[in-house]
Amino acid sequence: EVQLVESGGGLVQPGGSLRLSCVASGFTFRTYAMYWVRHAPAKGLEWVSSITGSGDGAYYADSVKGRFTLSRDNSKNTLYLQMKGLRAEDTAVYYCTKSFGVWGQGTLVTVSS
Amino acid sequence: DVVMTQSPLSLPVTLGQPASISCRSSQSLVSSDGNTYLSWFQQRPGQSPRRLIYKVSTRDSGVPDRFSGSGSGTDFTLNISRVEAEDVGFYYCMQGTHWPPWTFGQGTKVEIK
Repeated sequence: EVQLVESGGGLVQPGGSLRLSCVASGFTFRTYAMYWVRHAPAKGLEWVSSITGSGDGAYYADSVKGRFTLSRDNSKNTLYLQMKGLRAEDTAVYYCTKSFGVWGQGTLVTVSS
Repeated sequence: DVVMTQSPLSLPVTLGQPASISCRSSQSLVSSDGNTYLSWFQQRPGQSPRRLIYKVSTRDSGVPDRFSGSGSGTDFTLNISRVEAEDVGFYYCMQGTHWPPWTFGQGTKVEIK
């Protein structure tokens, strides 16, 4: 069974940092591009970042460019989203997804003082 | 960036009756490979998003056949032939042709009258 499990969310002050992880199982992780999508309160879905299967290319939404870094460790079947300079508007549930067809349960990030 | 515009944003429906959601893109979603990368997602309250339809009209595994997608170019539609109580939630279209970014519509809230 294909499964994605996110972790690392929590409460952080504005300007702070968090690292989200997504552990994948049930498929050949290294052969798939992976994505992060977030859902802010009372807002719609927003694509955040993507990375190629090999990890040699990453893409970012303008809203997070320069603050977020996406990486992966294919030996551990794990995706990492390093978030720095967090703002109140980054408050959301963050989901990792395999090709938008399989989604994790999400991890909540709250940015507040 | 491609802008995705959904209508209506709120859709009260009667159980057993049909429902239809429209999604328009700011430019054609026909890819250079001949495919049209338009997907539909359902997000029930408190749950992760779930893809229902990809490439305009292909249903994901396990999706009831009362859900169908149609359209071409810039105009797309998600139809529910007979709404059931479990269909309550938000529905989003998303384009994956002109990336980055991958862009979602604003979401349509489906509720029972």
